[in-house]
Amino acid sequence: QMKLQESGPGLVKPSETLSLTCTVSGGSINGDTYYWGWIRQPPGKGLEWIGNVYYSGSTYYNSSLKSRVTISVDTSRKHFSLKLSSVTAADTAVYYCARLTDYSRWYMDVWGKGTTVTVSS
Amino acid sequence: SYEMTQPLSLSVALGQTAKITCGGNIIGSKDVHWYQQKPGQAPVLVIYRDNNRPSGIPERFSGSNSGNTATLTISRAQAGDEADYYCQVWENSAVVFGGGTKVTVL
Repeated sequence: QMKLQESGPGLVKPSETLSLTCTVSGGSINGDTYYWGWIRQPPGKGLEWIGNVYYSGSTYYNSSLKSRVTISVDTSRKHFSLKLSSVTAADTAVYYCARLTDYSRWYMDVWGKGTTVTVSS
Repeated sequence: SYEMTQPLSLSVALGQTAKITCGGNIIGSKDVHWYQQKPGQAPVLVIYRDNNRPSGIPERFSGSNSGNTATLTISRAQAGDEADYYCQVWENSAVVFGGGTKVTVL
């Protein structure tokens, strides 16, 4: 059974770069029928999509975050990563990684448990 | 960008039926997916492509989609169904979520 696990610092200073990694186990990251994505949830608020990466490295990003976001994939290490630059308190959230499936209809069928990131000095 | 509207909250009596709506412009022409999120937990897919249940999701969960409204129906509501529910579509190369509906089982 596929599992995803987020990892990275739980505390980031304002103006710095948030970096998270999602490790994939129990299946291949190379499948051409999947995207790998990041979603976040600020405290007490709804879900916000950040972006997706394909095993080839091609990406889609949320237009509201695009200038600050980089998502990459390392198939040899079976993980994909999120970098969010110039963070502020508004970036404080639980960050989830997920697998997306179903070409042209894309939805998230496997989720990590999430990791809390706080932006504070 | 595409927007979807969900009621903020909804209450349902134990054993009764809850209908959670997701409104959007001609949403009936899109494939709508639904997630359940319990407090402190990651979301779980409960319906995909309007009306399909992943394995392990009870038959009490069903979906429909027509015109400008998609609906997630929870039949014979149980205490364990109390959660936030989100609709989602893929539109213009982006994942779009509805704002979420908090369902309370009385």
